[in-house]
Amino acid sequence: DAGVTQSPTHLIKTRGQQVTLRCSPISGHKSVSWYQQVLGQGPQFIFQYYEKEERGRGNFPDRFSARQFPNYSSELNVNALLLGDSALYLCASRGGEAGAKQYFGPGTRLTVT
Amino acid sequence: GQSLEQPSEVTAVEGAIVQINCTYQTSGFYGLSWYQQHDGGAPTFLSYNALDGLEETGRFSSFLSRSDSYGYLLLQELQMKDSASYFCAVIQKDDKIIFGKGTRLHILP
Repeated sequence: DAGVTQSPTHLIKTRGQQVTLRCSPISGHKSVSWYQQVLGQGPQFIFQYYEKEERGRGNFPDRFSARQFPNYSSELNVNALLLGDSALYLCASRGGEAGAKQYFGPGTRLTVT
Repeated sequence: GQSLEQPSEVTAVEGAIVQINCTYQTSGFYGLSWYQQHDGGAPTFLSYNALDGLEETGRFSSFLSRSDSYGYLLLQELQMKDSASYFCAVIQKDDKIIFGKGTRLHILP
């Protein structure tokens, strides 16, 4: 079975632009979470979706938004990009509603210039 | 508030045993997980503890004491491929997962 996939793998954007990152969970997984990881730090929780509903939101500004589609894939949107948004964006899926084991995708490396 | 504390770096010798500690402060604690991340890679799940005690998976074991808000990851028979960053992560009852800043494990031959 395929693991969690994310696209694109790398992205370079200019300040003020908007970006959309995509994630496809493992087949059968209904929960998708998004994380931002800055070099040398742990992943920071951004959003969690389960069955297409937002279940949790981390401490990120409203410039960050996400959604989950009927096939459980997900998109993360970031508007008005800042230099500080440069990071690795990770998507993780899990099967159960309260399961602890998350499977991470390879991430999207976003560079804002 | 929520916080997790773990050492920033640990060094050990190949074949030895190493313990990485994690203390946490959080509301609505549900469980504690450990993840491994190699440079340039994604985090991979190692273990999960919801109840007090030791969980063993091959060369890796994880321990939790809920009353002490403390856990640790124990790696035995260290191999060079174990050189990586290790993160403890608290799973909260509201389903959020909060990661620590990570412990960089250096293994000497």
